[in-house]
Amino acid sequence: DGGITQSPKYLFRKEGQNVTLSCEQNLNHDAMYWYRQDPGQGLRLIYYSQIVNDFQKGDIAEGYSVSREKKESFPLTVTSAQKNPTAFYLCASSNNEQFFGPGTRLTVL
Amino acid sequence: KQEVTQIPAALSVPEGENLVLNCSFTDSAIYNLQWFRQDPGKGLTSLLLIQSSQREQTSGRLNASLDKSSGRSTLYIAASQPGDSATYLCAVSTTSGTYKYIFGTGTRLKVLA
Repeated sequence: DGGITQSPKYLFRKEGQNVTLSCEQNLNHDAMYWYRQDPGQGLRLIYYSQIVNDFQKGDIAEGYSVSREKKESFPLTVTSAQKNPTAFYLCASSNNEQFFGPGTRLTVL
Repeated sequence: KQEVTQIPAALSVPEGENLVLNCSFTDSAIYNLQWFRQDPGKGLTSLLLIQSSQREQTSGRLNASLDKSSGRSTLYIAASQPGDSATYLCAVSTTSGTYKYIFGTGTRLKVLA
């Protein structure tokens, strides 16, 4: 089955903690993306990567970091510098048409 | 800066009705436009992709049109069903090669049985 997987589905973070969200794809897509979705708002781009070992900041990159060591994987770290991290995080990949994973809901305790 | 707007924000229709969802964008220099469906608490499901050189795409009861010159796309849903209830989002890719997408805020559709 080809697709995008995200884990975990739910994640709880304490104040001051860094947490990492996993995203894996087996679609052989070059480009991968991380978005944040808040209630009643559209998707906002955090980071994107067009090729292995390269990535660019999106519109709201502050407090987040990524890596792209493998074509299949694009993990997102939410650092303690992100002041309001509670949100729904969506990973996507594309070779023209964009496909999404099921999302990770992050809650700060 | 590209901006994408979807009107209305919410829509309720009786089952069986044909309906049109609207998507507007400010910069006509787009590479493609994609329509998605999102169910509550889930990821986005791709419905239709229209390349900039195309005028429309069809899949089953769905038809999407694109008018670049006026900065508009419409998603037509025929014979709506309660299972069509979801949020529908459109997204435009503005630069060839980077595949960077700008999303609208969506239209929340409810089809009443």
